[in-house]
Amino acid sequence: GENVEQHPSTLSVQEGDSAVIKCTYSDSASNYFPWYKQELGKRPQLIIDIRSNVGEKKDQRIAVTLNKTAKHFSLHITETQPEDSAVYFCAATTGGKLIFGQGTELSVKP
Amino acid sequence: GAVVSQHPSRVICKSGTSVKIECRSLDFQATTMFWYRQFPKQSLMLMATSNEGSKATYEQGVEKDKFLINHASLTLSTLTVTSAHPEDSSFYICSASSPKRGVYNEQFFGPGTRLTVL
Repeated sequence: GENVEQHPSTLSVQEGDSAVIKCTYSDSASNYFPWYKQELGKRPQLIIDIRSNVGEKKDQRIAVTLNKTAKHFSLHITETQPEDSAVYFCAATTGGKLIFGQGTELSVKP
Repeated sequence: GAVVSQHPSRVICKSGTSVKIECRSLDFQATTMFWYRQFPKQSLMLMATSNEGSKATYEQGVEKDKFLINHASLTLSTLTVTSAHPEDSSFYICSASSPKRGVYNEQFFGPGTRLTVL
């Protein structure tokens, strides 16, 4: 089955800096890669996603890149703000099932 | 986006009792619903996948007799934790998907249910 590895587990940046979170997946059949932001006690919120036929996608300060050959994908957040502080999860899906990475706790210091 | 609700949001029960959690898709018909469990400071772990009118498919290591899932309609799925014990205390989250809603396998998450077993 699919296995998703996510790094780093914690990330602390200064406000205005960039943050990068990386994930690898094992199942080459995976075709959809969403990223979620989760605040304490809340549901995961989809922030950006990418399909396997696309290499890069950007939405304002957030971008995701996908390397299918290497089976890894990354989340890039530029100009970070304190409100970006949360836990971020990557996920990969094949056959409709989402398999999540372990999560990255991002802390943006003012 | 599509709206998914869960009820209750929080429940505290005594060890040995059963607890039922409801997951509803409010503005779309969900062909598939998923149940996840999340322990503190951990990731979401898929417990089972259910399609309307058929038996749920459980992930390896999840006891189907302990976590009963019913998906009786296209807008409602229930998870019953039978004979709950303190180790079942967790955050349970459902999600729903439909090929007619959202993009490409997108799942819409409920707000979660915090279960505490004393």
